[in-house]
Amino acid sequence: EVQLVESGGGLVKTGGSLRLSCAASGFSFSNAWMNWVRQAPGKGLEWVGRIKRKSEGGTTDYAAPVKGRFAISRDDSKSILYLQMNSLKIEDAAVYYCTTSTARSHWFSFWGQGTLATVSS
Amino acid sequence: DIQMTQSPSSVSASVGDRVTITCRASQDIDNWLAWYQQKPGQAPKLLIHAASTLQSGFPSRISGRGSGRHFTLIINSLQPEDFATYYCQQANSFPLTFGGGTKVEIK
Repeated sequence: EVQLVESGGGLVKTGGSLRLSCAASGFSFSNAWMNWVRQAPGKGLEWVGRIKRKSEGGTTDYAAPVKGRFAISRDDSKSILYLQMNSLKIEDAAVYYCTTSTARSHWFSFWGQGTLATVSS
Repeated sequence: DIQMTQSPSSVSASVGDRVTITCRASQDIDNWLAWYQQKPGQAPKLLIHAASTLQSGFPSRISGRGSGRHFTLIINSLQPEDFATYYCQQANSFPLTFGGGTKVEIK
């Protein structure tokens, strides 16, 4: 059974940092493209970014609102995905979901339960 | 960036009704479209991919159609478990983008 378990959310002031983690199990993590998707309270879904598998260079891509502030990384030996969030803004407050996709299809087959990041001024 | 426009933003319907949700892409995305179902307090679930392929575990009364720029999600004979918010997502190019969502509420 595929499991994605996010952690690391919490309350942070504007300009601060948070590092989110996503522990994966039940599938070949090293072969998966991994993504972060967020959802502000009461709002819709927003793709944050993705990281390719190491065999494809492990390259990352980000949505414009977070580019230069957020960084996605992965530890395939531990099957953990990370999201380093710096220079946080009020508008970054959201539930952050870890999701899987593939090199061929960029829809999100599996989702974690999410972790809430709250940003205050 | 490809914009995804979903309509309506909400719909009130009764058990047994047929509900149709529309999603339009700002450019041709072939059939690179997914639909998700999200219930309150839960993560979204992949419902349909490649515009019309229903994920296992979902009933056949739910279907997806379309290609290019115009897509529809159809729920026939609405059941209590179908009341949720539905999102479309284009998977054609980065940045990946979602529609604004359609909340299906009980009338």
